[in-house]
Amino acid sequence: GQQLNQSPQSMFIQEGEDVSMNCTSSSIFNTWLWYKQDPGEGPVLLIALYKAGELTSNGRLTAQFGITRKDSFLNISASIPSDVGIYFCAGQGGSGGSNYKLTFGKGTLLTVNP
Amino acid sequence: DADVTQTPRNRITKTGKRIMLECSQTKGHDRMYWYRQDPGLGLRLIYYSFDVKDINKGEISDGYSVSRQAQAKFSLSLESAIPNQTALYFCATSDLGLAGAGNEQFFGPGTRLTVL
Repeated sequence: GQQLNQSPQSMFIQEGEDVSMNCTSSSIFNTWLWYKQDPGEGPVLLIALYKAGELTSNGRLTAQFGITRKDSFLNISASIPSDVGIYFCAGQGGSGGSNYKLTFGKGTLLTVNP
Repeated sequence: DADVTQTPRNRITKTGKRIMLECSQTKGHDRMYWYRQDPGLGLRLIYYSFDVKDINKGEISDGYSVSRQAQAKFSLSLESAIPNQTALYFCATSDLGLAGAGNEQFFGPGTRLTVL
């Protein structure tokens, strides 16, 4: 099946620091999605990207759809303790899959020390 | 109220028992999905449904069955539960899935299932 390589697997940072994580694939996607999962909860959609090169922000979060359509990154600026959780990327459509199927990365576990 | 709800939130059962997990949504979406989450393996698709009369297998459907009782309801059954089906189970919904906006999937809060 299709694979997304998400890195890093985990991060330990101090409150106030900026964070960057990314996903890469050997296949192209039409859509990139970024989700956050809190302990005991389901993934919550943070940002959706639909065009190669697109840069989208949601508060302190910024994500970009790579120009090759094979990668995406998520940045979090000025981290706060409630940013703790697992962040997942997901690709959809293109040569990486059909319009219904999401291919998920394995997640980045973020820990923020106050 | 949550848009996507799942019941039960937690369940402990024994090997060989039949278990049903239920999902309801108020988003008005046509498409519904069941995923399984295991540590280190991410989210894997079990079954999906594009409308009430449409059911499709995902990548790990063996040992599972589903029923789409209505547009808003999609249930997952484990016919004879086994320990390696211990996992977090998530239901998700999406709109028609046309190119561009509308492809996003929205997840329920999950069911933690333990099979002893």
